Amino acid sequence: GESVGLHLPTLSVQEGDNSIINCAYSNSASDYFIWYKQESGKGPQFIIDIRSNMDKRQGQRVTVLLNKTVKHLSLQIAATQPGDSAVYFCAENTGGFKTIFGAGTRLFVKA
Amino acid sequence: EAGVTQSPTHLIKTRGQQATLRCSPISGHTSVYWYQQALGLGLQFLLWYDEGEERNRGNFPPRFSGRQFPNYSSELNVNALELEDSALYLCASSPFGGQSRVHEQFFGPGTRLTVL
Repeated sequence: GESVGLHLPTLSVQEGDNSIINCAYSNSASDYFIWYKQESGKGPQFIIDIRSNMDKRQGQRVTVLLNKTVKHLSLQIAATQPGDSAVYFCAENTGGFKTIFGAGTRLFVKA
Repeated sequence: EAGVTQSPTHLIKTRGQQATLRCSPISGHTSVYWYQQALGLGLQFLLWYDEGEERNRGNFPPRFSGRQFPNYSSELNVNALELEDSALYLCASSPFGGQSRVHEQFFGPGTRLTVL
């Protein structure tokens, strides 16, 4: 979510386990949320999105959960693989074209 | 289909110098967006160019500027570099006319700018 500072939160999981990455968003009026994956040396890659009128959305091996009551977003990755190692960050669209990006969480997958 | 490309990959400058970063959008895309990603912080929107014109800019000082060429490639110029300008600068392109939402943008790998 909104992280200030030089060090990203880190999540380390065993290959094959499920990963849960969390994000606290800032604006209760935000209507659209996105999760991105950013591998080392690459630009952000769109993973999955969810609109504010939904609580859950599933993709291939990924699920996004939205809890508007506490302004919380999570990304669940099933059967985490070494190729999932990356920084994951959320983004919230606060209206129009204004988007706020979180700093992200670094996911390490141990073989 | 080639993606968004950026050059150089890394750039090292000293305080007070100028930096020029380049971006080539995906073929057929007319809009180019620039973002700054400082270490440990989220992406910050810098500039949007479409059809050769600056259409919108984020909350950055005027020493951040750029342009878009007739072939839709773009340059980002940062004058009077400061230490806090050290960051990954990402370029994104979009096929849609008009400002697109971020999920409609395709990102390049970025240029890592280090200011000493």
